[in-house]
Amino acid sequence: DADVTQTPRNRITKTGKRIMLECSQTKGHDRMYWYRQDPGLGLQLIYYSFDVKDINKGEISDGYSVSRQAQAKFSLSLESAIPNQTALYFCATSDAFGGAPDTQYFGPGTRLTVL
Amino acid sequence: GQNIDQPTEMTATEGAIVQINCTYQTSGFNGLFWYQQHAGEAPTFLSYNVLDGLEEKGRFSSFLSRSKGYSYLLLKELQMKDSASYLCASATGANNLFFGTGTRLTVIP
Repeated sequence: DADVTQTPRNRITKTGKRIMLECSQTKGHDRMYWYRQDPGLGLQLIYYSFDVKDINKGEISDGYSVSRQAQAKFSLSLESAIPNQTALYFCATSDAFGGAPDTQYFGPGTRLTVL
Repeated sequence: GQNIDQPTEMTATEGAIVQINCTYQTSGFNGLFWYQQHAGEAPTFLSYNVLDGLEEKGRFSSFLSRSKGYSYLLLKELQMKDSASYLCASATGANNLFFGTGTRLTVIP
């Protein structure tokens, strides 16, 4: 089984709808992240969480919210989807390693299309 | 602020060597990562450099010069399966990554 899973893998929705993307991990990592990727652009950090009680905004958090339901689960919500939120969304996890960065492991991605 | 520059596309021949360059300007720099991403798939970790110098891992090597804000990824004995995007990412603070736009490498026979 995959260590980091995302559901759904593909979603088509309409403008104004509320959408939730889910991420689960079996790696036992404390840290979880949500990124979006657009063609020709790098991965952009939306939100990140270093433990269950910790939520932080990333570069592009406007229009998004997150929930860290447990160590293993981190959900991303689009409260009112708009077409420019059409993108590939990745969840990632990493371990805590003192003050040094640790490798991030990515889920398979969710392709979201907002019409 | 954060900025990463890497070439958009490169083409190389099967069996050859290719070097993908990355320059960065990063506040609170704490290391440089390289990831490989095949089209439509998740990025996968290749290498991490925090000290100056060359790290070798099989056919892949990565170099870092902190004073120059420069890194490169060297791929030897290219194979067709190496056709992918290569993402340079600088680490800031404890564990956040700032990604470049990626270099799409095409390996031709």
